[in-house]
Amino acid sequence: EADIYQTPRYLVIGTGKKITLECSQTMGHDKMYWYQQDPGMELHLIHYSYGVNSTEKGDLSSESTVSRIRTEHFPLTLESARPSHTSQYLCASSDWDSYSPLHFGNGTRLTVT
Amino acid sequence: AQTVTQSQPEMSVQEAETVTLSCTYDTSESDYYLFWYKQPPSRQMILVIRQEAYKQQNATENRFSVNFQKAAKSFSLKISDSQLGDAAMYFCAYRSGEDYQLIWGAGTKLIIKP
Repeated sequence: EADIYQTPRYLVIGTGKKITLECSQTMGHDKMYWYQQDPGMELHLIHYSYGVNSTEKGDLSSESTVSRIRTEHFPLTLESARPSHTSQYLCASSDWDSYSPLHFGNGTRLTVT
Repeated sequence: AQTVTQSQPEMSVQEAETVTLSCTYDTSESDYYLFWYKQPPSRQMILVIRQEAYKQQNATENRFSVNFQKAAKSFSLKISDSQLGDAAMYFCAYRSGEDYQLIWGAGTKLIIKP
């Protein structure tokens, strides 16, 4: 059973629309991450946060933004969706020490038409 | 920069047999951590096993064990008594002791033949 929740599970949306993918965790983790993953492919880090009011861009260039106003909440926003944004988006969180594993949500599968 | 390589895009194994998934990494650091994650089809990614670089003893979790060869920078995953539920993508990941980000391999798709 997931301690980190992502909504929606699936989303089909038209080009140019603004969308927000939600991610919440109940574990009190300070560190949270957003990954983009095409089916069966490797993960690409797009944003991460080390705590409230901390956000950083990852390795993958993305037109998305994130916010971290509360510890448990880390939403991802696409201001103007494009077909190239079609992918799966995974949210994860972890505790502070480097040995702590990432806990993943179930993901949001986004299709932009 | 650190890199993680999984040279087997796909592996298959007969149910109840043993399979080994390979992972190599490149780093100049001495303090780091290694992880194997499992991603079943359309399901949540979960941790399988992890290893601290300074520990010589190989980690074991039930049917899952690793062969950690620090000098060779190798971190293979052995799955014994393979079960149908083991079918998934398996990702190897590296984390520096000084950085919280994970470096991911490209993944290995494991197929279990009944």
